[in-house]
Amino acid sequence: GQQLNQSPQSMFIQEGEDVSMNCTSSSIFNTWLWYKQDPGEGPVLLIALYKAGELTSNGRLTAQFGITRKDSFLNISASIPSDVGIYFCAGTRGVTGGGNKLTFGTGTQLKVEL
Amino acid sequence: DGGITQSPKYLFRKEGQNVTLSCEQNLNHDAMYWYRQDPGQGLRLIYYSQIVNDFQKGDIAEGYSVSREKKESFPLTVTSAQKNPTAFYLCASSIPDRGTEAFFGQGTRLTVV
Repeated sequence: GQQLNQSPQSMFIQEGEDVSMNCTSSSIFNTWLWYKQDPGEGPVLLIALYKAGELTSNGRLTAQFGITRKDSFLNISASIPSDVGIYFCAGTRGVTGGGNKLTFGTGTQLKVEL
Repeated sequence: DGGITQSPKYLFRKEGQNVTLSCEQNLNHDAMYWYRQDPGQGLRLIYYSQIVNDFQKGDIAEGYSVSREKKESFPLTVTSAQKNPTAFYLCASSIPDRGTEAFFGQGTRLTVV
């Protein structure tokens, strides 16, 4: 099955810096989601995007659904140590309703230096 | 509190043995999913179920089996036919009309020795 291309694979930044990561696909997606996973835990949903061009914020996090429907971006402003973890993008091609399958990106590992 | 519970957190099995991973949710979600995660990789779909007594194969179903006899439960059996079963297994559930927003359990790390 397809996996989404996510970049960068890893980032090592200083506390207070802004972070950007993106996710691309060769196919059109109708929904984009961003998850964060801490070591040994399940992913936690951060932001869900349902419309092309949509820009949505959740605290210091902002995500955008690309106009082409083939990409999405996640920005984290003023990073703090607890932002450390792996960030996954995920998308579906189907319309809403009844157990749509999520396709996941390969993940971006974020490390924050104090 | 409502949520998804996976058990056990860690599981060790000998090669050639079948093993069943538990997933229970009290969120009243119709849809449930099983994913496999290997180091440095994203999540790959094993099986999913949209409703009780129905389930579909995902991208990597070979060597796995599931059942969905109750809405709350979606156990996964890793059979001896799975050639590389050591991995982190994640269960998720979602509301049908918001099917894209899957909520995950805390995972089970299976190690086969």
